[in-house]
Amino acid sequence: EPEVTQTPSHQVTQMGQEVILRCVPISNHLYFYWYRQILGQKVEFLVSFYNNEISEKSEIFDDQFSVERPDGSNFTLKIRSTKLEDSAMYFCASSELQGGTDTQYFGPGTRLTVL
Amino acid sequence: SQQGEEDPQALSIQEGENATMNCSYKTSINNLQWYRQNSGRGLVHLILIRSNEREKHSGRLRVTLDTSKKSSSLLITASRAADTASYFCATGSNAGNMLTFGGGTRLMVKP
Repeated sequence: EPEVTQTPSHQVTQMGQEVILRCVPISNHLYFYWYRQILGQKVEFLVSFYNNEISEKSEIFDDQFSVERPDGSNFTLKIRSTKLEDSAMYFCASSELQGGTDTQYFGPGTRLTVL
Repeated sequence: SQQGEEDPQALSIQEGENATMNCSYKTSINNLQWYRQNSGRGLVHLILIRSNEREKHSGRLRVTLDTSKKSSSLLITASRAADTASYFCATGSNAGNMLTFGGGTRLMVKP
């Protein structure tokens, strides 16, 4: 069964460093998302991406964050200058149809630790 | 409460018993989805129920939706130790792409 994959599974970085989290969505899906989950808290929406542009973003997704689909398979989340509070599990998801109306399939997550 | 709030926050049962988790939400929805998360792992999609549906089944799972009360329940029948996980509801709307998650119910099934 097709699944969303994410790399790395765990990333440790120093505060102020840039990180890139990578995702490979399910191949026939057109909508892509990033969510995050701070330890012990709810899963929070960051951004959705469709047709090579951001379609929706939350207040969390500020200028430090960016997303890109550099080729036909990868979808990346970049954090330009990490802060301690960026430590969280980051989930990539994808769906075939618009996200509010369709099942979103999640990857296994990347645990980001900012020291 | 916020959009997508589950109760109870934690539930401990014996293997073989049924587990019921509830979710309430505030705004109008297109659908409500239930996900499972094993400790520190990814979110596994369990079931999606649309706003025009009242009940849905998948294996040992039964989900109900009451849009007049803005609430949903997830019933796991004949629970197994392997069902131990956190269960989250998430709502989707026609207005956007995001899912709004609740805080989750931590289920422990004792063998």
